[in-house]
Amino acid sequence: QKEVEQNSGPLSVPEGAIASLNCTYSDRGSQSFFWYRQYSGKSPELIMSIYSNGDKEDGRFTAQLNKASQYVSLLIRDSQPSDSATYLCAAYHMDSNYQLIWGAGTKLIIKP
Amino acid sequence: DAGVTQSPTHLIKTRGQQVTLRCSPKSGHDTVSWYQQALGQGPQFIFQYYEEEERQRGNFPDRFSGHQFPNYSSELNVNALLLGDSALYLCASSLAVWTSGGSTDTQYFGPGTRLTVL
Repeated sequence: QKEVEQNSGPLSVPEGAIASLNCTYSDRGSQSFFWYRQYSGKSPELIMSIYSNGDKEDGRFTAQLNKASQYVSLLIRDSQPSDSATYLCAAYHMDSNYQLIWGAGTKLIIKP
Repeated sequence: DAGVTQSPTHLIKTRGQQVTLRCSPKSGHDTVSWYQQALGQGPQFIFQYYEEEERQRGNFPDRFSGHQFPNYSSELNVNALLLGDSALYLCASSLAVWTSGGSTDTQYFGPGTRLTVL
């Protein structure tokens, strides 16, 4: 069973703090990972993709990938109320190359 | 540069009816994937179209069918609607990129179509 797991939350973080979102995946052969942000009633918006072990930074966002432990995380620095949304993690699995496998998402709430 | 567009934005149907949803991919993209998203869940993969053919299909019944046109736009058709088909239907486009390690296509979503079945 190909799975991507996320804590559904909600994760509550004070404004200005670092929000840490985690995702684990079951297929050790997965190569490509994506983080999307989804506001209520809207469609998912791509934040970052990551393919190699280590960190990848883009502005206030940092994605971290650890293939040995099969997890990928997203850090949001200097959290703002506008970051309040559901964050979706997705991965391609080796035996299903055209199908992204999605987590159910983590709801993040940034408290002013 | 136009992003992914979908129509209509909202739709209300009754059980047993048929519906057609439309998607135009982002400029330069050749692949369209369709998803169903129920409230509080992640997107569920319906199918993907590439070169006018269904390349892969998720765990959805044959009531769900699709088509891709030569200009890469796509349609999703759902027959014999059930109450459980009420959801946000998402179209995502990508440019097919194949590496030895598998797919790395980055998918970009349209605004979605909210379907309500009464």
